[in-house]
Amino acid sequence: AQKVTQAQTEISVVEKEDVTLDCVYETRDTTYYLFWYKQPPSGELVFLIRRNSFDEQNEISGRYSWNFQKSTSSFNFTITASQVVDSAVYFCALIDSNYQLIWGAGTKLIIKP
Amino acid sequence: GAVVSQHPSWVICKSGTSVKIECRSLDFQATTMFWYRQFPKQSLMLMATSNEGSKATYEQGVEKDKFLINHASLTLSTLTVTSAHPEDSSFYICSARDRQIYNEQFFGPGTRLTVL
Repeated sequence: AQKVTQAQTEISVVEKEDVTLDCVYETRDTTYYLFWYKQPPSGELVFLIRRNSFDEQNEISGRYSWNFQKSTSSFNFTITASQVVDSAVYFCALIDSNYQLIWGAGTKLIIKP
Repeated sequence: GAVVSQHPSWVICKSGTSVKIECRSLDFQATTMFWYRQFPKQSLMLMATSNEGSKATYEQGVEKDKFLINHASLTLSTLTVTSAHPEDSSFYICSARDRQIYNEQFFGPGTRLTVL
């Protein structure tokens, strides 16, 4: 069965610290897509990244970076030098062969000033 | 590109009334639209999938007579919560899939429904 696990329910760090959000997935498909979304208090989902299963290169975008490892079925997200504006709920998700999104439970990230 | 709008962004209604939420793809044709429901501090739960011109497919446990979905055009889907009750209060999010791009969904900003 397809499944996405975000074991960290809530993380709290002080501003400027680095923080990593974990995501572990399960799928029998060989072709799949992984996503990270940010959901600030307003509720609107903000797309962060999409990664297909054939591209294991790590991605960096400013203070954000993603580590995709098929060997451990993980797609972790790191924020470097965190800022208060990074406070939000972050969701990891998987699109399967039925093209439906399978969502993780989300990780609430709190950045304290 | 790939913008999805939702209207209204929030609505408060009395118990027993019906509420319609619109989801529009503004700059692409959406052959498939999805409706999600999100309770506080929880993840998104898929309610139904609608394909343009055909009946929606509802997830197990979602009452189709309660949540009416219409996808009459390639740019518009509507969700009507009929005879709303306080337990229907939630955050409703739609998403749309471009007919050319199967591996991504584009999300609307959500509608917060409060039933008194």
